[in-house]
Amino acid sequence: AQSVTQLGSHVSVSEGALVLLRCNYSSSVPPYLFWYVQYPNQGLQLLLKYTSAATLVKGINGFEAEFKKSETSFHLTKPSAHMSDAAEYFCAVSDRGNTPLVFGKGTRLSVIA
Amino acid sequence: DAGVIQSPRHEVTEMGQEVTLRCKPISGHNSLFWYRQTMMRGLELLIYFNNNVPIDDSGMPEDRFSAKMPNASFSTLKIQPSEPRDSAVYFCASSSDTRKVSPLHFGNGTRLTVT
Repeated sequence: AQSVTQLGSHVSVSEGALVLLRCNYSSSVPPYLFWYVQYPNQGLQLLLKYTSAATLVKGINGFEAEFKKSETSFHLTKPSAHMSDAAEYFCAVSDRGNTPLVFGKGTRLSVIA
Repeated sequence: DAGVIQSPRHEVTEMGQEVTLRCKPISGHNSLFWYRQTMMRGLELLIYFNNNVPIDDSGMPEDRFSAKMPNASFSTLKIQPSEPRDSAVYFCASSSDTRKVSPLHFGNGTRLTVT
C-alpha cells in the first residue's frame, strides 16, 4: 500500500526566504503525486501534480516540486515566501489504480514579516 | 461552477443525537469522497462512491456512521448516535476521474462539535 511522510509538522520562514516542504512516498508501483494547500476554514486546493511526465512540476502561486525516484521524494519549493503562502500543505500519493489518494499529515507553513 | 457545496458549515449537537451532513458534488463528476480531519489523525478517507455506488467504506469508523448517494448530485453522511469523539471537520470531495489523475475538488467542510 502506498503512503506519504511529511517531515516537519510546522515550518516557519521569513518573508522572501526559500520555502522547502518535504515529502517522501512509499509505493509499490510508479506513483502519481500531488501537493494540496489548505487555507483556514477552507477545503484543500490542488497546487500541482506529478503524473510521470516531466520530473519538475510547476504549480500555482510560484510553487514547484521535483520527483526524485532514487530518493522517493517529492519536495515542494518556492524561491521567495509571501505572507499569503501561510497555510497547511498536504502531500498525497496514488498508486494509479482504482484507489483514492492517500494524504500525509500535513505541514503548517508560517511566514514571518 | 459553484464547486462542491457542503451544508451545514457548522453543526453543534449533543451526544446521542443524530447528525446528517450534506454534499452536492460538482456537476459531471462521477466520484465522491467523504474525509474526516482531526488534529490527531489528520485527513482520513471514510468512504467513496463511483457513479453513486459505494466502492470502499473501510474507513468508516463504526456502524454509527453511514453514507448514501441517492443520485449523482447529492450525498449524505449520517452519524447516529453521535459521540464527542466524532467532533472533527468533515470534507466532501468530488472528482471526474476514478484513477485519481484528475484532482479532487473539496468543499469547505462541516465543522462538527458533539458535546
